[in-house]
Amino acid sequence: DAGVIQSPRHEVTEMGQEVTLRCKPISGHDYLFWYRQTMMRGLELLIYFNNNVPIDDSGMPEDRFSAKMPNASFSTLKIQPSEPRDSAVYFCASSIRNGTGGQPQHFGDGTRLSIL
Amino acid sequence: GENVEQHPSTLSVQEGDSAVIKCTYSDSASNYFPWYKQELGKRPQLIIDIRSNVGEKKDQRIAVTLNKTAKHFSLHITETQPEDSAVYFCAASIPPNFGNEKLTFGTGTRLTIIP
Repeated sequence: DAGVIQSPRHEVTEMGQEVTLRCKPISGHDYLFWYRQTMMRGLELLIYFNNNVPIDDSGMPEDRFSAKMPNASFSTLKIQPSEPRDSAVYFCASSIRNGTGGQPQHFGDGTRLSIL
Repeated sequence: GENVEQHPSTLSVQEGDSAVIKCTYSDSASNYFPWYKQELGKRPQLIIDIRSNVGEKKDQRIAVTLNKTAKHFSLHITETQPEDSAVYFCAASIPPNFGNEKLTFGTGTRLTIIP
């Protein structure tokens, strides 16, 4: 099992540019989560999907952020236009539904994003 | 929605001593409580979890206790070692029939083991 795979690992770009973060969940997992981590705000849930359908996007900070999951093995998080305050580590995580509820989320290695 | 509070925010203990991190949750329907360890520059990794039908679970030097009445759960690390230094996060989730599969995380505890 390769685990959750995220790319790129690091991204440095200038303010105003479009940023696309990518995630491949663990095969067979039906939930996918996008998180943002900063020192000030900790670990924030941005959006999560179930069977490729967005379930809760209440954590998405503003319209500049969008996420898609075109199939069970791929998701993207886009920021357009990017701003310096978007600088953070972005994690993707996946999990598999348990009939009784509650299952661990498995995190990718994250994308460290710096907006200059 | 669920709210999880975690204390302390920082904790320093002498190598070999025990460390305890405490979390409280607000939604009595919560039934799953994982703990994650995050080393500097790395991803959060699950170290232990507990479900609401048990009060305690142990895995070598790590144990978690759950008090459903008081709505709090704790992580206990015994015989601490330098490699235990990390940020620890607690989390809680409610059953899927409530229509919500997400974990609500605490704000983290930075544990430092003093050699």
